[in-house]
Amino acid sequence: NAGVTQTPKFQVLKTGQSMTLQCAQDMNHNSMYWYRQDPGMGLRLIYYSASEGTTDKGEVPNGYNVSRLNKREFSLRLESAAPSQTSVYFCASSVLVSAGELFFGEGSRLTVL
Amino acid sequence: EDQVTQSPEALRLQEGESSSLNCSYTVSGLRGLFWYRQDPGKGPEFLFTLYSAGEEKEKERLKATLTKKESFLHITAPKPEDSATYLCAVQAEENTGNQFYFGTGTSLTVIP
Repeated sequence: NAGVTQTPKFQVLKTGQSMTLQCAQDMNHNSMYWYRQDPGMGLRLIYYSASEGTTDKGEVPNGYNVSRLNKREFSLRLESAAPSQTSVYFCASSVLVSAGELFFGEGSRLTVL
Repeated sequence: EDQVTQSPEALRLQEGESSSLNCSYTVSGLRGLFWYRQDPGKGPEFLFTLYSAGEEKEKERLKATLTKKESFLHITAPKPEDSATYLCAVQAEENTGNQFYFGTGTSLTVIP
């Protein structure tokens, strides 16, 4: 089993460019999440999807959009990238949003120049 | 405000030298406390879940304990392969839109 797969692993953007991070899970989980991890800060939730067809804002949603394409896939889009969005992005999934541990992908390292 | 604080930020141990990592939390109601291991360039890997004060979980050289205000991750006779960053996260009872609160982690280095 692959678990949670993220693409791309690395990306460099110029300010103002757009891009989409892709995430897929093969564990039949209902809930999926996007986090960002910055030095000296804990993982911060950007958006989450409790179940297929629903999405909700997390702690730091500004500048991002998400799409829950189906039960397996949850994408994160940066419409107009800013240097403050330079970070490592992690996709995660769990059986339910209300309980249980998170399973993480390997991360996508994004640099915005 | 709900938050999670981990200490120390960094810890260097000699192989075989046991120690403990601390995770203190302030949430209005705890649904669960989670420990993760994160290797450089990788995503966090789940280790343990604790739900109530007094609960303990063990896995190889690691043992996690929980009180009403903090959790400890005890590492007994560590080996170099235990070197990693250990993250603590709490899940609050109320749906605040941020289902998990993560600490900033303890970076553990075990020297042969």
